[in-house]
Amino acid sequence: AQSVTQPDIHITVSEGASLELRCNYSYGATPYLFWYVQSPGQGLQLLLKYFSGDTLVQGIKGFEAEFKRSQSSFNLRKPSVHWSDAAEYFCAVHSGSARQLTFGSGTQLTVLP
Amino acid sequence: EPEVTQTPSHQVTQMGQEVILRCVPISNHLYFYWYRQILGQKVEFLVSFYNNEISEKSEIFDDQFSVERPDGSNFTLKIRSTKLEDSAMYFCASARPGDYGYTFGSGTRLTVV
Repeated sequence: AQSVTQPDIHITVSEGASLELRCNYSYGATPYLFWYVQSPGQGLQLLLKYFSGDTLVQGIKGFEAEFKRSQSSFNLRKPSVHWSDAAEYFCAVHSGSARQLTFGSGTQLTVLP
Repeated sequence: EPEVTQTPSHQVTQMGQEVILRCVPISNHLYFYWYRQILGQKVEFLVSFYNNEISEKSEIFDDQFSVERPDGSNFTLKIRSTKLEDSAMYFCASARPGDYGYTFGSGTRLTVV
């Protein structure tokens, strides 16, 4: 069965600083990988997704993520964080034929002024 | 931008009562899902629905739960006799054929007292 680990429960960065959120997955086949963001009281918004091809994927709001098969990782990055990026971020893996998303436990991002 | 709409945003119910959570998926989507997030825990898959039938369900989705697409637009989740542990945020999601990036609704917070 697939699983997703987000090692950092909470990360605090200053506005303008760079950001990297870690995600490790466990899945037997080629994974479909996703990052979602959840602002307080809001739903889950898709930031980006990886299915195949270029291992560096670009998403919305200036986010990018890099798929590294050798490390079973799909880390999310942003070069310069804005205060509005404060939210909870979820990494997820798709089980292919079953079409079911398995989520990590999330990383809460706090942005300091 | 098309949205998945969920109603109500917050529902309080007494233990043992039946609740129906409603969702209006995006109109050209054919795959529909329910996920839930107990406070402080991971987002968990409940059920997927395609072609007017359940295509997959998790062990959480027991006989107390049911889903229905009563017309061409709504997708509902019914909990027959609510328990305290059903208190959670319930998310509806939909997807187009061939698209593994779901669109999630903003959720219904269910509180069972």
